Amino acid sequence: EVQLVESGGGLVQPGRSLRLSCTASGFTFGDYAMSWVRQAPGRGLEWVGFIRSEPYGGTPEYAASVKGRFTISRDDSKSIAYLHMNSLKTEDTAVYYCTRYLSGYVYGHYYYYMDVWGKGTTVTVSS
Amino acid sequence: QSVLTQPPSASGTPGQRVTISCSGSSSNIGSNYVYWYQQLPGTAPKLLIYRNNQRPSGVPDRFSGSKSGTSASLAISGLRSEDEADYYCATWDDSLSGPVFGGGTKLTVL
Repeated sequence: EVQLVESGGGLVQPGRSLRLSCTASGFTFGDYAMSWVRQAPGRGLEWVGFIRSEPYGGTPEYAASVKGRFTISRDDSKSIAYLHMNSLKTEDTAVYYCTRYLSGYVYGHYYYYMDVWGKGTTVTVSS
Repeated sequence: QSVLTQPPSASGTPGQRVTISCSGSSSNIGSNYVYWYQQLPGTAPKLLIYRNNQRPSGVPDRFSGSKSGTSASLAISGLRSEDEADYYCATWDDSLSGPVFGGGTKLTVL
């Protein structure tokens, strides 16, 4: 069974750092890009960023709201993706979901989407 | 303010057909595939429709997606109580160079 399990969430003060982990199982982790999506309390979904698989460079991309503060990395030997969050703000309070991220080209168009989601981990930024 | 516009709420009675709209622009829906996610209360989102109108295995054929120009729709036929959830549309935005979501539509089964 394909599964993603997030961990590392908790209560953190503004300006501090936190690292989230996403442990994957049930598929060949190294073959896939991975992404993070967050959901603030009572709000909708917001893409945070993704990291390409190593065959495609293993490079990350970020939403403007977190660029320069958040870093996504991966350890294919452990099937884990990480979200390093620095200079946290109260508005970063959210449930953070790890997702598998599919991309490709079919019928003349590129596609990019999240097909498998973890259950999420809660990050609360408050003094 | 979400890049994609969805009605905040929708409702229907059991057995009815309901549609949820998602409006965008030429830089997102107009030039990319659309995806739909279902989020049941207290759970993580789940992929419902991919590449405009494709259903992952296990998703009932009561759910269907369509796209026309810069808008897309999710239709649910034979509405059931377990369909009560939040529904989100998503696509890639060429201007923002990243995925974007709609604000979500809360579906209530009366």
